Amino acid sequence: AQSVTQLGSHVSVSEGALVLLRCNYSSSVPPYLFWYVQYPNQGLQLLLKYTTGATLVKGINGFEAEFKKSETSFHLTKPSAHMSDAAEYFCAVGRGQGNLIFGKGTKLSVKP
Amino acid sequence: DAGVIQSPRHEVTEMGQEVTLRCKPISGHNSLFWYRQTMMRGLELLIYFNNNVPIDDSGMPEDRFSAKMPNASFSTLKIQPSEPRDSAVYFCASSLLLAGWDEQYFGPGTRLTVT
Repeated sequence: AQSVTQLGSHVSVSEGALVLLRCNYSSSVPPYLFWYVQYPNQGLQLLLKYTTGATLVKGINGFEAEFKKSETSFHLTKPSAHMSDAAEYFCAVGRGQGNLIFGKGTKLSVKP
Repeated sequence: DAGVIQSPRHEVTEMGQEVTLRCKPISGHNSLFWYRQTMMRGLELLIYFNNNVPIDDSGMPEDRFSAKMPNASFSTLKIQPSEPRDSAVYFCASSLLLAGWDEQYFGPGTRLTVT
């Protein structure tokens, strides 16, 4: 069975600081991995995805994530946080069959 | 493209009443998903359809919940009778399921309050 664990339900960083949101997955088959962002009172938007190929994936708004098979991780990073990055971030794993398994989410706060 | 459309955006109803949530997926997409989001339980998949056929409804909480997809451009999620614990944000998402792709596009959600 597949599962996703996001470490830390809340992360707070200062504006300009590195953002690191952690995601570990469990999958018996090569996974497809996703990061979604949810701004207040909105639906989820896709930030980036990994399916095959290059393990470092770049997404929108300066975010990127690296697939590390040996660590079963897909952590999300951004070199310099902006106030507009404050949102909830969800990691998800899929199997190419249509169903995504979402993590519990991590709320990112950005302090001025 | 207009994206996934959900209606209503907000619904307030009294316990015992029937509630119907509506979703129009992105044109050309062949899979549709209904999720529920609460503070306590996070984002839960309720049911999903592929080519208008329900594939997995194991997330539907109980018989009070039902979902239909009569055609490729419309789906409903019905709760009858509604209860206060059904209060949540309900999201619809759609995707074009090709070999190896799971990317889902979410609607803005319906915020349901049952008093």
